[in-house]
Amino acid sequence: KAGVTQTPRYLIKTRGQQVTLSCSPISGHRSVSWYQQTPGQGLQFLFEYFSETQRNKGNFPGRFSGRQFSNSRSEMNVSTLELGDSALYLCASSSDPGGWGEQFFGPGTRLTVL
Amino acid sequence: AQTVTQSQPEMSVQEAETVTLSCTYDTSENNYYLFWYKQPPSRQMILVIRQEAYKQQNATENRFSVNFQKAAKSFSLKISDSQLGDTAMYFCAFMRSTSGTYKYIFGTGTRLKVLA
Repeated sequence: KAGVTQTPRYLIKTRGQQVTLSCSPISGHRSVSWYQQTPGQGLQFLFEYFSETQRNKGNFPGRFSGRQFSNSRSEMNVSTLELGDSALYLCASSSDPGGWGEQFFGPGTRLTVL
Repeated sequence: AQTVTQSQPEMSVQEAETVTLSCTYDTSENNYYLFWYKQPPSRQMILVIRQEAYKQQNATENRFSVNFQKAAKSFSLKISDSQLGDTAMYFCAFMRSTSGTYKYIFGTGTRLKVLA
């Protein structure tokens, strides 16, 4: 099985712009979660989608949004970028998490905001 | 609110020796799961080991084992016979599942360097 893929791998944007990141989960996985990773902060949970519905949401401002398509692919959008949004954005997929809840991570998209 | 604390930002260990990474968490839940994830330099994060809170027996995966102390809310990772490939960022994570939804909370990570 192919692993979780994320595109693009690197992005450079300027303040005020918006950006869309994409994540393709492992085939058969219906849950997709997004995390922001910054040095010293670890991984901060953004949101989780399951079967096109947002099930969980972290404590991020409304500038951060996402969606999931019928094929389980997910996109994350950040509007009005700020310098503090520079981070590695990780996507993780999981099969129906009735029990273990193991997440499989993608390589991440490194976003730099200038 | 649940929290996960990794008090060791960086650690180093000599190749072939044993190292223990600490993790404490805070929750009022009784049923949950705990994980250690490994993120090698410039590589994807992978699961190292996991533990169900209702199981008293400590999980073991080859050279990796945990010391799970539920009452103390402690979940440390022991790496035996350390190898150069163990050099990575290690994250402790807590997960609870409620009514079909779940939430992961990660610690801030411990950067482990294995020295030759």
